[in-house]
Amino acid sequence: GQSLEQPSEVTAVEGAIVQINCTYQTSGFYGLSWYQQHDGGAPTFLSYNALDGLEETGRFSSFLSRSDSYGYLLLQELQMKDSASYFCAGDATNKLIFGTGTLLAVQP
Amino acid sequence: GAVVSQHPSRVICKSGTSVKIECRSLDFQATTMFWYRQFPKQSLMLMATSNEGSKATYEQGVEKDKFLINHASLTLSTLTVTSAHPEDSSFYICSARPGGDNEQFFGPGTRLTVL
Repeated sequence: GQSLEQPSEVTAVEGAIVQINCTYQTSGFYGLSWYQQHDGGAPTFLSYNALDGLEETGRFSSFLSRSDSYGYLLLQELQMKDSASYFCAGDATNKLIFGTGTLLAVQP
Repeated sequence: GAVVSQHPSRVICKSGTSVKIECRSLDFQATTMFWYRQFPKQSLMLMATSNEGSKATYEQGVEKDKFLINHASLTLSTLTVTSAHPEDSSFYICSARPGGDNEQFFGPGTRLTVL
């Protein structure tokens, strides 16, 4: 089957850097996406890794290693508004498979 | 940017009734739309993939006769929850993908409560 595992919760302080990991067990993912979801809202796209390595988009960076079936999302200069759920999502044939999700709590 | 809308945003219904949820791509044509269900504090679970003009492809464990999907045009897909029961109460989210593009754009979701 296809599964993507994430830590359930992460807590960090404002201004800090936090890394959210995603490990997956599957074959055939074309890439790994990251989404942010605030409580009651829709997921919003953050980043996509089609190739191994680091992709940087402002305060957010994402990394993928296919050989390790592993990726992470790095959030820098944390702000209170970054408190949300974060999901990795494997890009399978014609569909996304979402990870278990990580609830990030940013504290003052 | 690409915008996807859903209607209604919230719906409360009695057990046994059917509920229709609409998903529209407002500024692009979506050859493929996806329907997800999300229970509180859980991840998004893909229910089905909807392709314009053809039958939807349902994920394992999703009852196609209970969750009817119609993708009649390139901008509209509908999900009908038939004979809803309290266990169907959930947050239903659609997404749409423009033709030839891998990125998905998500709707704001519909919160269904079945009494």
